[in-house]
Amino acid sequence: GDSVTQMEGPVTLSEEAFLTINCTYTATGYPSLFWYVQYPGEGLQLLLKATKADDKGSNKGFEATYRKETTSFHLEKGSVQVSDSAVYFCALGGNNRLAFGKGNQVVVIP
Amino acid sequence: SQTIHQWPATLVQPVGSPLSLECTVEGTSNPNLYWYRQAAGRGLQLLFYSVGIGQISSEVPQNLSASRPQDRQFILSSKKLLLSDSGFYLCAWSVLEGSGGYTFGSGTRLTVV
Repeated sequence: GDSVTQMEGPVTLSEEAFLTINCTYTATGYPSLFWYVQYPGEGLQLLLKATKADDKGSNKGFEATYRKETTSFHLEKGSVQVSDSAVYFCALGGNNRLAFGKGNQVVVIP
Repeated sequence: SQTIHQWPATLVQPVGSPLSLECTVEGTSNPNLYWYRQAAGRGLQLLFYSVGIGQISSEVPQNLSASRPQDRQFILSSKKLLLSDSGFYLCAWSVLEGSGGYTFGSGTRLTVV
């Protein structure tokens, strides 16, 4: 079935550093791809999405490009802030359901 | 605009007690509705989803059940809670095939003691 794989382990980095969170997927057909963010004690919020190959989703300085050739949707931000500390989930959509990755805890240190 | 309400925000219940968590959606019709659980330090586990009134699909066998008595109401229940039912429960909705993504509620933190 459709699935999403995120890199293992939390990510700790300093303010203004470059952030990359890897996400790869396995799917039949042409699903939409998403990144969600969860701030402490809250539900998930849609951060960005891409609905077809080569689309780039962007929001709040974050970007991710739908790469069909590498089945990837890596999340990047050029200069992180303390307020970006959260858990980030990659997800794949289709057939009335989303398949989520396990999430990555990002901690930004001042 | 569409909104989703989930309550209560936090709940502490003794083992063996019943559970009822409610989720309602406003501003849309015939949404797909979902219940997820997020255990501490772990990812999201889909528990139930519904594509219409009275239609419930269960993803994993467990101590919980779900019902959809109205188009925009989704209820998560248990007759007798277990310690392992503790976690963060999230309700979400989407339209059609989910290509627009999900909108999540703010979650319920359940602690079974």
